Amino acid sequence: NAGVTQTPKFRVLKTGQSMTLLCAQDMNHEYMYWYRQDPGMGLRLIHYSVGEGTTAKGEVPDGYNVSRLKKQNFLLGLESAAPSQTSVYFCASSFRGLGNQPQHFGDGTRLSIL
Amino acid sequence: KQEVTQIPAALSVPEGENLVLNCSFTDSAIYNLQWFRQDPGKGLTSLLLIQSSQREQTSGRLNASLDKSSGRSTLYIAASQPGDSATYLCAVTLTGNKLTFGGGTRVLVKP
Repeated sequence: NAGVTQTPKFRVLKTGQSMTLLCAQDMNHEYMYWYRQDPGMGLRLIHYSVGEGTTAKGEVPDGYNVSRLKKQNFLLGLESAAPSQTSVYFCASSFRGLGNQPQHFGDGTRLSIL
Repeated sequence: KQEVTQIPAALSVPEGENLVLNCSFTDSAIYNLQWFRQDPGKGLTSLLLIQSSQREQTSGRLNASLDKSSGRSTLYIAASQPGDSATYLCAVTLTGNKLTFGGGTRVLVKP
């Protein structure tokens, strides 16, 4: 099983450029999440989705947009990249959002904004 | 706002010694608490999930306890091995779908 797959694994952008990060899961999970991980700050939730066609804001949503057109995919977009968005981005999924369901994580996308 | 703290930020122990990792949180109204392991350059792997109604969970050499009233959880790793070297993160769920993470404890087990 592939689990949660993130593409690309690495990317370097210039300030102002746009890009989309793709997350795909093959576990038929309803819930999907995007986090960013920064040194000394742990992981912070950017956006999440509780099902196909739904999205919601997390803790740090500004500068990002998301879409969940298909159940298995969750896209994270940066419309105009800024150096402050340099980070490692993780996607996760869970069967439900209930308290007894662990989240499964991808290996991350390392993004540098110059 | 929920805050999750992990102290120490880094820990080094000789092989065979037991590991004790601490996690504290400010809001006791949690759904669950999870412990994750993160290897360098990799994502997070869920180790243990403790429901709010539970006091502890065990898996092999790992044991995690939860004291909601005091806002604390402890992860014990018995008889540590070099392969246990990684960063360990705890996270709490306030509602059913959002995790709040601590900053992690980086563990080095020396052969």
